[in-house]
Amino acid sequence: AQSVTQPDIHITVSEGASLELRCNYSYGATPYLFWYVQSPGQGLQLLLKYFSGDTLVQGIKGFEAEFKRSQSSFNLRKPSVHWSDAAEYFCAVGPYNQGGKLIFGQGTELSVKP
Amino acid sequence: EAGVAQSPRYKIIEKRQSVAFWCNPISGHATLYWYQQILGQGPKLLIQFQNNGVVDDSQLPKDRFSAERLKGVDSTLKIQPAKLEDSAVYLCASSPRTSGGPGQETQYFGPGTRLLVL
Repeated sequence: AQSVTQPDIHITVSEGASLELRCNYSYGATPYLFWYVQSPGQGLQLLLKYFSGDTLVQGIKGFEAEFKRSQSSFNLRKPSVHWSDAAEYFCAVGPYNQGGKLIFGQGTELSVKP
Repeated sequence: EAGVAQSPRYKIIEKRQSVAFWCNPISGHATLYWYQQILGQGPKLLIQFQNNGVVDDSQLPKDRFSAERLKGVDSTLKIQPAKLEDSAVYLCASSPRTSGGPGQETQYFGPGTRLLVL
């Protein structure tokens, strides 16, 4: 079955500290992988995406993610967190050639303490 | 460039009532999606349109939910009658096209409609 697992429901980090949000996927074909961020009352904003090529992907707002096929993971990282990064983060996987349906993880809520 | 527009932003109804949500995708985007996001969960696809044709509605509860995309632009999602478990945020997204091959198109999301069924 196709699925995305984000093991951490909620994470709290101090401002200026580094961040890593975990994402594991189960997918029967070549996956396309995404990270979206959702601020309270807002829609989802794309942070970054991986289709092929370099397994380290750079995104907006200083985020990056690394695709590891052997571990079926696509973890999101940021070297120094800002208070404005507090939000909910969703990992998603999409099909290679079956249209646009995305399968989302359950999300990780990030809190940033001063 | 204007983003995906949705209305209303909030709606409160009683169970067994009907409700409709509207979405206007980004201009020129051929593919439109409706997702349901229940509190504490990730979004789940309800229906996908390519122009005005349905590509995937396998997870749409067809006994109560319906959707249309007339003229391949705006779309309306309707629930009739609503149940308590329909309380959720309904997200509309659009993408330029469904390639059917390498290169998944990025989906752009609207702000969502928050529905509360009492």
